[in-house]
Amino acid sequence: GAGVSQSPRYKVAKRGQDVALRCDPISGHVSLFWYQQALGQGPEFLTYFQNEAQLDKSGLPSDRFFAERPEGSVSTLKIQRTQQEDSAVYLCASSPIDYGYTFGSGTRLTVV
Amino acid sequence: RKEVEQDPGPFNVPEGATVAFNCTYSNSASQSFFWYRQDCRKEPKLLMSVYSSGNEDGRFTAQLNRASQYISLLIRDSKLSDSATYLCVAIIGGNEKLTFGTGTRLTIIP
Repeated sequence: GAGVSQSPRYKVAKRGQDVALRCDPISGHVSLFWYQQALGQGPEFLTYFQNEAQLDKSGLPSDRFFAERPEGSVSTLKIQRTQQEDSAVYLCASSPIDYGYTFGSGTRLTVV
Repeated sequence: RKEVEQDPGPFNVPEGATVAFNCTYSNSASQSFFWYRQDCRKEPKLLMSVYSSGNEDGRFTAQLNRASQYISLLIRDSKLSDSATYLCVAIIGGNEKLTFGTGTRLTIIP
């Protein structure tokens, strides 16, 4: 596609529910990043893939957060047993091998 | 302490004025710097890269001072369409991940 596509655009989850957020990067982009942006804050790094390899997951806030990119293209960020503090916009970005990031529109997660 | 710090504002500036933002970074291993623009409920978009020699793109000028570890953005002849949040961003060390500041909210007043 022409850009990074994220789905769903909005997600409301009840506390304790599991959610899965999808990212379709730009075709051919090697690197894929997930960021979390709380209201009034800048995006915070969660995790990074190069092709199918997860090279850095140091930003994942707890073991309830899990990300995968099994075929080096589409990525899924899964949050288990959601809590209210997980409410945020989750942004995905992709880039070719050397910078040039493009962000998706994000998934706005609200945990009630 | 956050690795990239910005004054969150808000800055309310009359149309046509010049406005300047500063940003400081704490890690001297920071290698590359950028300014991103984020409109309300939209994703961040690259505004410009920042170099020690300074760079200009139309009404926008960015500057990096490595000795003092700060980055600046100057907007001249501000337009209503410049209203947005401006995010200061660094790449630290040898990885590719972006480290963002909190963002500075700018509103241009007619």
